Amino acid sequence: NAGVTQTPKFQVLKTGQSMTLQCAQDMNHNSMYWYRQDPGMGLRLIYYSASEGTTDKGEVPNGYNVSRLNKREFSLRLESAAPSQTSVYFCASSKDRYGYTFGSGTRLTVV
Amino acid sequence: DAKTTQPTSMDCAEGRAANLPCNHSTISGNEYVYWYRQIHSQGPQYIIHGLKNNETNEMASLIITEDRKSSTLILPHATLRDTAVYYCIVRASNSGGYQKVTFGIGTKLQVIP
Repeated sequence: NAGVTQTPKFQVLKTGQSMTLQCAQDMNHNSMYWYRQDPGMGLRLIYYSASEGTTDKGEVPNGYNVSRLNKREFSLRLESAAPSQTSVYFCASSKDRYGYTFGSGTRLTVV
Repeated sequence: DAKTTQPTSMDCAEGRAANLPCNHSTISGNEYVYWYRQIHSQGPQYIIHGLKNNETNEMASLIITEDRKSSTLILPHATLRDTAVYYCIVRASNSGGYQKVTFGIGTKLQVIP
């Protein structure tokens, strides 16, 4: 099993550009999440999806949109990238009481 | 979700047991304690979880106090590859429901040769 797959692994954007971070899981998990990680800040929740067809805001949703395309896929979109969105982005999934499975991350730099 | 408190950093000699504490004094009855670790800049990796009984798996042991207000993750024989940031979180177990959890900054464990 691949687990949680994130693409791309690295990306450099210019301020104002848009892009979509892709995430897919093959574990039949109900819930999916997007986190960002900045130095000294831990992991902060951007958006989550409890189940297919539903999405909700986390701690730091401003500047982002998400789409739960189906049970497997949960994408994160930056409509107009800003330098403050330079970060490492992690996608995760979970099912009931079992733990989270994280992807390997997308390292995004906005210049 | 209950908040947790962990030391910012700890050192451990290679081959010795690493004992990582976590305080979760506001934990609710239906909340589990979970431990994850993040090696370098990889995605966090699940280690172990428990409700009230002590748990052991191939990676670690989890000791939860009787009042459930604190727990300790034990790596019995730390190796250099155990150098990582360790996160303690608590979350409820709702069948079919979401689990919105925020990870803190964790404990940076440095295993020293």
